[in-house]
Amino acid sequence: DQQVKQNSPSLSVQEGRISILNCDYTNSMFDYFLWYKKYPAEGPTFLISISSIKDKNEDGRFTVFLNKSAKHLSLHIVPSQPGDSAVYFCAASGDGSSNTGKLIFGQGTTLQVKP
Amino acid sequence: EAGVTQSPTHLIKTRGQQATLRCSPISGHTSVYWYQQALGLGLQFLLWYDEGEERNRGNFPPRFSGRQFPNYSSELNVNALELEDSALYLCASSPGQGWTDTQYFGPGTRLTVL
Repeated sequence: DQQVKQNSPSLSVQEGRISILNCDYTNSMFDYFLWYKKYPAEGPTFLISISSIKDKNEDGRFTVFLNKSAKHLSLHIVPSQPGDSAVYFCAASGDGSSNTGKLIFGQGTTLQVKP
Repeated sequence: EAGVTQSPTHLIKTRGQQATLRCSPISGHTSVYWYQQALGLGLQFLLWYDEGEERNRGNFPPRFSGRQFPNYSSELNVNALELEDSALYLCASSPGQGWTDTQYFGPGTRLTVL
């Protein structure tokens, strides 16, 4: 039972254009969502997060949108740069009443930004 | 500021042996988390320690255990190693137990079981 899904294994965009990475979840009790970037042979690097009481959070070139009714979140990267090429993971946490400490990750989307 | 550090980088063991992996959190962080990323699978939550206590455990057998020391560093022990334990083991730390506390990851330990 995969509670967090990233249905697109890969995405290729041109440098300077927008990258949109998508993530769906099934558990309506999740209350905190994060995006991480991972390069080969390195640990995940935190990018941006959003709590369930918000629908948008922005940090520089990165914006995360949350649609609770659709149980969907997306990460927008504008403009995309070749250095953004990596695997992107979305993660969710919470059970509605307490902090479980547990992040549930999607399978990841490999982003390739072409010069 | 130093990030999360893990040792060793690589570890090779044979089936049935025990493996010990170590993690030092970011200075000032009290919570440590362990995750497993096996080939072809996503990151799976293993354990959460805070202030020396185990706070939560993922769906792994008891031969996966760990502890957190008074200086907040942690070790993960895997007993009776099986071939399917071969994976990248990631440690993360966060400032505390807050539900919005971001987890920051280390580079991982690659465990290979032969």
